[in-house]
Amino acid sequence: SQKIEQNSEALNIQEGKTATLTCNYTNYSPAYLQWYRQDPGRGPVFLLLIRENEKEKRKERLKVTFDTTLKQSLFHITASQPADSATYLCALVHQAGTALIFGKGTTLSVSS
Amino acid sequence: NAGVTQTPKFRILKIGQSMTLQCTQDMNHNYMYWYRQDPGMGLKLIYYSVGAGITDKGEVPNGYNVSRSTTEDFPLRLELAAPSQTSVYFCASSYPSGRASEAHEQYFGPGTRLTVT
Repeated sequence: SQKIEQNSEALNIQEGKTATLTCNYTNYSPAYLQWYRQDPGRGPVFLLLIRENEKEKRKERLKVTFDTTLKQSLFHITASQPADSATYLCALVHQAGTALIFGKGTTLSVSS
Repeated sequence: NAGVTQTPKFRILKIGQSMTLQCTQDMNHNYMYWYRQDPGMGLKLIYYSVGAGITDKGEVPNGYNVSRSTTEDFPLRLELAAPSQTSVYFCASSYPSGRASEAHEQYFGPGTRLTVT
């Protein structure tokens, strides 16, 4: 069956450390993968997109990698801050479709 | 630009009642989507539309209907509310490039929290 899994439901780290979130997928051939941030009571907000032919993408303190052999994307936040505390969602588009398929999310808590 | 707006923010329905969740976007996006999000779960696609007059089912369409008469509006209709439809509903929009496989980020509204009792 097709699955998209974010392995950790919750991740707790200290301020200044690097947070690494994992997204794995099964039986999909995604054209690209996206990461979103969701704060409590709000809609998701787009952060980064990485295409199947890209290995790595960066935006300020954020970095995303995409390994189509491992069927995995890693999302890194360097020099994490308490303001980075939120739920992070990965989402992919299967080659044949246009709609996004979302993982359940990982809730990151950064303590000062 | 207001982006994607949704009304109402909160609603309590009795079993069997009907209601329409409103969604409007002012970004001239072609694509619009309805998702539901249950606690601890990812977003599930209910319906989507690739343009005015065109709609298609997502992963969980049962119990819902949509219409798309204009580019801006994409209302979601619940005809006979059931407790299983208690959820947070998000509307989103996006504008793809010319090729269907091209990437496009989605812009989400603030959500409607619906309780059916």
